[in-house]
Amino acid sequence: KAGVTQTPRYLIKTRGQQVTLSCSPISGHRSVSWYQQTPGQGLQFLFEYFSETQRNKGNFPGRFSGRQFSNSRSEMNVSTLELGDSALYLCASSSRTGTSGSGSYEQYFGPGTRLTVT
Amino acid sequence: GNSVTQMEGPVTLSEEAFLTINCTYTATGYPSLFWYVQYPGEGLQLLLKATKADDKGSNKGFEATYRKETTSFHLEKGSVQVSDSAVYFCALPNYGQNFVFGPGTRLSVLP
Repeated sequence: KAGVTQTPRYLIKTRGQQVTLSCSPISGHRSVSWYQQTPGQGLQFLFEYFSETQRNKGNFPGRFSGRQFSNSRSEMNVSTLELGDSALYLCASSSRTGTSGSGSYEQYFGPGTRLTVT
Repeated sequence: GNSVTQMEGPVTLSEEAFLTINCTYTATGYPSLFWYVQYPGEGLQLLLKATKADDKGSNKGFEATYRKETTSFHLEKGSVQVSDSAVYFCALPNYGQNFVFGPGTRLSVLP
């Protein structure tokens, strides 16, 4: 089974621009989550999508948004980029379907997209 | 919500040394517990998990036991190799927030 794929792997953008990152989950997985990883803040949860609906959301400003398509592929968008948005953005997919907590469903991560904002 | 505390390191060991990375958690109920590993330039990989108290997760020589009484899930390996050099994350589910991760422990193994 193919793993989680993310494109592009590296991006360099200028402050004020916007960016779209893409994630393709493991086949059959309908839950896709996004995390931001930085040296200072570690891994922080952005949001989760399930069946094209945002199911959970972390504490990030509205500049961060996402969506999921009917084939479970997901995109996240960051508008009006700031220098502090420079990070590794990780996508994870899961076979979790219920909403009563994550239970024992492990998440499978992609290699990440390294975003640098200059 | 649930939270996790993890020794931050960095930890530097010689090859074949014994490894322990401490992890303690605060949680409502008894969630599953996980260790993930991140090799340089890569995403996170699931290393092992335990789903209930006293369960021992194991993989690639690594082990961790779910200790309800001490709310701990320490990662151990009897003999580390250079190829084990990576960052290790303790994690657990957090309702509404998917997973909450520890800060990560960077391990360097010297030949």
